[in-house]
Amino acid sequence: GNSVTQMEGPVTLSEEAFLTINCTYTATGYPSLFWYVQYPGEGLQLLLKATKADDKGSNKGFEATYRKETTSFHLEKGSVQVSDSAVYFCALPFITSGTYKYIFGTGTRLKVLA
Amino acid sequence: GAVVSQHPSWVICKSGTSVKIECRSLDFQATTMFWYRQFPKQSLMLMATSNEGSKATYEQGVEKDKFLINHASLTLSTLTVTSAHPEDSSFYICSAFPPAKRNTGELFFGEGSRLTVL
Repeated sequence: GNSVTQMEGPVTLSEEAFLTINCTYTATGYPSLFWYVQYPGEGLQLLLKATKADDKGSNKGFEATYRKETTSFHLEKGSVQVSDSAVYFCALPFITSGTYKYIFGTGTRLKVLA
Repeated sequence: GAVVSQHPSWVICKSGTSVKIECRSLDFQATTMFWYRQFPKQSLMLMATSNEGSKATYEQGVEKDKFLINHASLTLSTLTVTSAHPEDSSFYICSAFPPAKRNTGELFFGEGSRLTVL
């Protein structure tokens, strides 16, 4: 079956520190992979995505590489800012009975201190 | 980009009353919308898939009589929590994808609606 395992938080970092949030998956076939971000009190926004193996998604200084050999899609940022404080979700879409469904990781709360 | 909007953002109601939450796609037509529930510090749980012009498809364990979903037009889906109880308090989020994004699987989310049942 399909599943997403995401690093548990919370993660607390100082400003300009390096960030890694781990995400591994199991899937049938080779689905696209997504990272969504949820700022306090808001819905989710797409942060980045990768549609095939070895693709690197990037946005706002964040990066994630779709690694088929390790079934991983870890999120990284070289220098975090206070404004990056949010909850990050790894997500895997799949189609069942002709309908799109998503599996979300449990979410990792990031807190960046000034 | 595609915009999905929910209303209301916050709602407080008394136990036993019903509450309606609206989800609109503002700049695209959505034949399918998804309703999620998010518990504090937890991930999103898919409640149901809302299909325009037909019945919603509910996930296992979700009470369809409790959570009524109506998708009467291509831009509007509503979730009605009937006879709400404190345990229904949660953050409800809807999502959809425009036809042009269907093959990418990218979802667009509403801002979420926080329901508090007293």
